[in-house]
Amino acid sequence: AQSVTQLGSHVSVSEGALVLLRCNYSSSVPPYLFWYVQYPNQGLQLLLKYTSAATLVKGINGFEAEFKKSETSFHLTKPSAHMSDAAEYFCAVSRTGGGNKLTFGTGTQLKVEL
Amino acid sequence: ETGVTQSPTHLIKTRGQQVTLRCSSQSGHNTVSWYQQALGQGPQFIFQYYREEENGRGNFPPRFSGLQFPNYSSELNVNALELDDSALYLCASSPGLAGARGTGELFFGEGSRLTVL
Repeated sequence: AQSVTQLGSHVSVSEGALVLLRCNYSSSVPPYLFWYVQYPNQGLQLLLKYTSAATLVKGINGFEAEFKKSETSFHLTKPSAHMSDAAEYFCAVSRTGGGNKLTFGTGTQLKVEL
Repeated sequence: ETGVTQSPTHLIKTRGQQVTLRCSSQSGHNTVSWYQQALGQGPQFIFQYYREEENGRGNFPPRFSGLQFPNYSSELNVNALELDDSALYLCASSPGLAGARGTGELFFGEGSRLTVL
């Protein structure tokens, strides 16, 4: 079975500050890992994905994440927050050969303050 | 390129009724997945359809059923609605079954928000 844990249901940062959203995963087989973003009243949009290639993954809107097997982590970062980054962020895991069944975390609401 | 579209966007039902939600997949995508997102929670996998057949199901009772049509569009049907079925229902499409070589990257619609009173 696979699962993800997102630490912190709400994170608040100042505009221009570093964004760090935490995700730890559990998987009995090599995982695929994803970060999705959800803006109010919208569906989910893929930010980035890890599929066993490079451990540092760059995504859209300046976000990146690093896969650390030893720590079973896949934290999402952005060097400088922008007001438009305010949204809910979901970490998700699927297993190799698992098709399209994603297991999502409970989400982290990011607030960006002036 | 047309993205994933869902209808209706909002609907209200009463306990015991039945509901049908519809999804048009993104052009070129032959796989459709449905997810339920309760308020304050992450999406939960309901089932997936590939070439008109169910291909994977999450922990949902049989009163949740679906269909996929030859044009790859899909329906989610929920019978005997319960209050806990109130949620945002998300449809996602992908360009393939994404099996052993796949990555599970999904393209989501904006969802259908169901309220059960």
